[in-house]
Amino acid sequence: GAVVSQHPSRVICKSGTSVKIECRSLDFQATTMFWYRQFPKQSLMLMATSNEGSKATYEQGVEKDKFLINHASLTLSTLTVTSAHPEDSSFYICSADPGLAGTNEQFFGPGTRLTVL
Amino acid sequence: GENVEQHPSTLSVQEGDSAVIKCTYSDSASNYFPWYKQELGKRPQLIIDIRSNVGEKKDQRIAVTLNKTAKHFSLHITETQPEDSAVYFCAASSAGTFQGAQKLVFGQGTRLTINP
Repeated sequence: GAVVSQHPSRVICKSGTSVKIECRSLDFQATTMFWYRQFPKQSLMLMATSNEGSKATYEQGVEKDKFLINHASLTLSTLTVTSAHPEDSSFYICSADPGLAGTNEQFFGPGTRLTVL
Repeated sequence: GENVEQHPSTLSVQEGDSAVIKCTYSDSASNYFPWYKQELGKRPQLIIDIRSNVGEKKDQRIAVTLNKTAKHFSLHITETQPEDSAVYFCAASSAGTFQGAQKLVFGQGTRLTINP
Protein backbone atom coordinates (compact mmCIF):
# COMPACT_ATOMS: atom_id res chain seq x y z
CA GLY A 1 0.00 0.00 0.00
CA ALA A 2 0.83 3.73 -0.02
CA VAL A 3 2.04 3.92 -3.61
CA VAL A 4 2.74 7.22 -5.33
CA SER A 5 3.25 7.51 -9.07
CA GLN A 6 4.58 10.29 -11.24
CA HIS A 7 4.20 10.98 -14.92
CA PRO A 8 6.18 11.44 -17.05
CA SER A 9 9.37 9.82 -15.76
CA ARG A 10 11.48 11.81 -18.21
CA VAL A 11 10.79 14.85 -20.32
CA ILE A 12 12.92 16.91 -22.66
CA CYS A 13 11.60 20.24 -23.81
CA LYS A 14 12.73 23.38 -25.57
CA SER A 15 13.44 26.56 -23.68
CA GLY A 16 10.33 28.70 -23.28
CA THR A 17 7.82 25.88 -23.28
CA SER A 18 5.74 24.65 -20.34
CA VAL A 19 5.86 21.19 -18.85
CA LYS A 20 3.25 19.50 -16.65
CA ILE A 21 4.17 16.78 -14.16
CA GLU A 22 1.50 14.65 -12.50
CA CYS A 23 1.70 13.09 -9.05
CA ARG A 24 -0.88 10.48 -8.07
CA SER A 25 -1.53 8.58 -4.88
CA LEU A 26 -2.72 5.20 -6.16
CA ASP A 27 -4.19 3.55 -3.10
CA PHE A 28 -4.84 6.31 -0.61
CA GLN A 29 -6.16 9.84 -0.47
CA ALA A 30 -3.83 12.70 0.25
CA THR A 31 -5.06 16.07 1.36
CA THR A 32 -1.50 17.28 1.19
CA MET A 33 1.27 16.49 -1.25
CA PHE A 34 4.76 17.94 -1.45
CA TRP A 35 6.94 18.88 -4.39
CA TYR A 36 10.72 18.68 -4.19
CA ARG A 37 13.51 19.53 -6.59
CA GLN A 38 16.87 17.79 -6.57
CA PHE A 39 19.86 19.01 -8.57
CA PRO A 40 22.68 16.54 -9.36
CA LYS A 41 24.62 15.45 -6.29
CA GLN A 42 22.51 17.67 -4.06
CA SER A 43 19.80 17.17 -1.50
CA LEU A 44 16.04 17.34 -1.90
CA MET A 45 14.75 20.85 -1.54
CA LEU A 46 11.10 21.41 -0.75
CA MET A 47 9.51 23.70 -3.32
CA ALA A 48 5.92 23.80 -2.17
CA THR A 49 3.15 22.12 -0.26
CA SER A 50 0.18 21.22 -2.42
CA ASN A 51 -3.16 21.52 -0.66
CA GLU A 52 -6.31 19.90 -2.03
CA GLY A 53 -8.96 22.50 -2.66
CA SER A 54 -6.82 25.51 -1.85
CA LYS A 55 -3.73 27.36 -2.93
CA ALA A 56 -0.31 25.81 -2.64
CA THR A 57 2.15 27.05 -0.04
CA TYR A 58 5.50 27.91 -1.58
CA GLU A 59 8.88 27.89 0.12
CA GLN A 60 10.92 31.04 0.23
CA GLY A 61 12.61 31.76 -3.06
CA VAL A 62 10.32 29.59 -5.18
CA GLU A 63 8.39 31.57 -7.81
CA LYS A 64 4.74 30.66 -7.58
CA ASP A 65 4.00 32.09 -11.03
CA LYS A 66 6.67 29.90 -12.58
CA PHE A 67 5.86 26.69 -10.75
CA LEU A 68 2.10 26.32 -10.88
CA ILE A 69 0.59 23.72 -8.59
CA ASN A 70 -2.94 22.37 -8.84
CA HIS A 71 -4.28 19.84 -6.35
CA ALA A 72 -7.53 19.08 -8.10
CA SER A 73 -8.49 15.95 -6.20
CA LEU A 74 -7.46 13.91 -3.20
CA THR A 75 -5.31 11.68 -5.42
CA LEU A 76 -3.80 14.07 -7.94
CA SER A 77 -1.46 17.03 -7.78
CA THR A 78 0.16 18.61 -10.81
CA LEU A 79 3.24 20.80 -11.13
CA THR A 80 3.55 22.94 -14.23
CA VAL A 81 6.90 24.50 -14.99
CA THR A 82 6.05 27.53 -17.10
CA SER A 83 8.43 29.06 -19.61
CA ALA A 84 11.08 26.51 -18.74
CA HIS A 85 14.75 27.43 -19.08
CA PRO A 86 17.90 25.29 -18.90
CA GLU A 87 18.42 26.20 -15.25
CA ASP A 88 15.08 24.49 -14.47
CA SER A 89 16.57 21.17 -15.56
CA SER A 90 16.39 18.99 -12.48
CA PHE A 91 14.87 15.91 -10.86
CA TYR A 92 11.39 16.74 -9.56
CA ILE A 93 9.94 14.45 -6.90
CA CYS A 94 6.55 14.52 -5.22
CA SER A 95 5.50 12.93 -1.97
CA ALA A 96 2.29 12.37 -0.08
CA ASP A 97 1.42 11.75 3.54
CA PRO A 98 -1.39 9.19 3.86
CA GLY A 99 -1.89 10.14 7.48
CA LEU A 100 -0.90 6.79 8.98
CA ALA A 101 -1.45 6.64 12.72
CA GLY A 102 1.68 7.15 14.78
CA THR A 103 3.92 8.32 11.99
CA ASN A 104 4.46 11.24 9.67
CA GLU A 105 5.91 9.03 6.95
CA GLN A 106 5.74 10.47 3.47
CA PHE A 107 5.70 8.26 0.39
CA PHE A 108 7.68 9.46 -2.59
CA GLY A 109 6.95 9.24 -6.26
CA PRO A 110 9.64 7.87 -8.60
CA GLY A 111 10.59 11.34 -9.78
CA THR A 112 10.58 13.15 -13.11
CA ARG A 113 13.80 14.05 -14.87
CA LEU A 114 13.31 17.36 -16.68
CA THR A 115 15.83 18.48 -19.27
CA VAL A 116 15.36 21.89 -20.86
CA LEU A 117 17.36 22.46 -24.03
CA GLY B 1 12.66 27.65 9.96
CA GLU B 2 14.23 24.26 10.42
CA ASN B 3 17.81 23.67 9.36
CA VAL B 4 19.38 20.21 9.17
CA GLU B 5 23.13 19.65 8.97
CA GLN B 6 24.51 16.24 7.98
CA HIS B 7 28.04 14.85 8.26
CA PRO B 8 30.11 13.47 6.71
CA SER B 9 29.40 14.23 3.06
CA THR B 10 31.27 11.11 1.98
CA LEU B 11 32.07 7.95 3.90
CA SER B 12 34.03 4.93 2.80
CA VAL B 13 34.18 1.79 4.94
CA GLN B 14 35.34 -1.77 4.53
CA GLU B 15 32.72 -4.42 4.07
CA GLY B 16 31.69 -5.80 7.43
CA ASP B 17 32.61 -2.64 9.34
CA SER B 18 30.13 -0.17 10.80
CA ALA B 19 29.10 3.19 9.36
CA VAL B 20 27.80 6.16 11.32
CA ILE B 21 26.17 9.27 9.86
CA LYS B 22 25.25 12.22 12.05
CA CYS B 23 22.71 15.01 11.75
CA THR B 24 21.81 18.05 13.80
CA TYR B 25 18.64 20.07 13.63
CA SER B 26 17.70 23.52 14.79
CA ASP B 27 13.95 23.50 15.51
CA SER B 28 13.19 22.05 18.93
CA ALA B 29 9.57 21.55 17.80
CA SER B 30 10.59 18.93 15.21
CA ASN B 31 9.27 15.57 16.27
CA TYR B 32 9.85 13.13 13.41
CA PHE B 33 13.24 12.11 12.04
CA PRO B 34 13.38 9.75 9.05
CA TRP B 35 16.42 8.40 7.24
CA TYR B 36 16.34 7.72 3.52
CA LYS B 37 18.52 5.74 1.15
CA GLN B 38 18.65 6.97 -2.42
CA GLU B 39 20.22 5.22 -5.36
CA LEU B 40 21.12 7.13 -8.48
CA GLY B 41 18.05 8.35 -10.35
CA LYS B 42 15.65 6.69 -7.92
CA ARG B 43 13.22 7.89 -5.31
CA PRO B 44 14.31 8.13 -1.67
CA GLN B 45 13.51 4.95 0.24
CA LEU B 46 12.70 5.17 3.95
CA ILE B 47 15.02 2.86 5.87
CA ILE B 48 14.22 3.82 9.43
CA ASP B 49 12.56 6.64 11.33
CA ILE B 50 12.23 7.79 14.91
CA ARG B 51 9.87 10.04 16.76
CA SER B 52 10.89 12.50 19.43
CA ASN B 53 9.42 10.45 22.27
CA VAL B 54 11.92 7.64 21.61
CA GLY B 55 15.68 7.70 22.12
CA GLU B 56 16.70 4.74 20.01
CA LYS B 57 15.24 2.42 17.44
CA LYS B 58 16.73 -0.63 15.76
CA ASP B 59 15.82 -2.69 12.73
CA GLN B 60 18.23 -5.56 12.05
CA ARG B 61 21.54 -3.96 10.97
CA ILE B 62 20.22 -0.40 11.11
CA ALA B 63 19.72 1.73 14.18
CA VAL B 64 18.94 5.37 14.85
CA THR B 65 19.60 7.32 18.02
CA LEU B 66 18.10 10.65 18.99
CA ASN B 67 19.32 13.18 21.52
CA LYS B 68 16.60 15.80 21.87
CA THR B 69 18.56 17.94 24.30
CA ALA B 70 21.49 18.27 21.94
CA LYS B 71 19.23 18.23 18.88
CA HIS B 72 21.13 15.58 17.03
CA PHE B 73 20.39 12.13 15.67
CA SER B 74 22.53 9.47 14.11
CA LEU B 75 22.23 6.51 11.76
CA HIS B 76 24.23 3.38 12.52
CA ILE B 77 24.71 0.60 10.00
CA THR B 78 26.48 -2.51 11.24
CA GLU B 79 28.02 -5.38 9.25
CA THR B 80 27.99 -3.27 6.10
CA GLN B 81 27.52 -4.93 2.74
CA PRO B 82 28.28 -3.70 -0.80
CA GLU B 83 24.55 -3.18 -1.43
CA ASP B 84 24.53 -0.59 1.35
CA SER B 85 26.46 1.72 -1.00
CA ALA B 86 24.17 4.68 -1.79
CA VAL B 87 23.43 8.23 -0.75
CA TYR B 88 21.79 8.57 2.64
CA PHE B 89 19.70 11.55 3.75
CA CYS B 90 18.47 12.47 7.17
CA ALA B 91 15.43 14.69 7.56
CA ALA B 92 13.50 16.46 10.25
CA SER B 93 9.80 17.09 10.17
CA SER B 94 8.47 20.42 11.29
CA ALA B 95 4.94 21.67 11.47
CA GLY B 96 3.42 22.51 8.12
CA THR B 97 1.01 25.22 7.32
CA PHE B 98 -2.11 23.31 6.30
CA GLN B 99 -4.22 20.78 8.17
CA GLY B 100 -1.31 19.63 10.30
CA ALA B 101 0.78 18.36 7.40
CA GLN B 102 4.41 18.23 8.39
CA LYS B 103 7.02 19.13 5.85
CA LEU B 104 10.43 17.50 5.71
CA VAL B 105 13.71 19.38 5.75
CA PHE B 106 16.56 17.25 4.43
CA GLY B 107 20.22 17.13 5.33
CA GLN B 108 22.83 17.52 2.62
CA GLY B 109 23.34 13.80 2.15
CA THR B 110 26.15 11.31 2.72
CA ARG B 111 27.60 9.23 -0.08
CA LEU B 112 28.41 5.88 1.51
CA THR B 113 30.76 3.52 -0.28
CA ILE B 114 31.32 -0.01 0.99
CA ASN B 115 34.62 -1.45 -0.18
CA PRO B 116 34.69 -5.23 -0.72
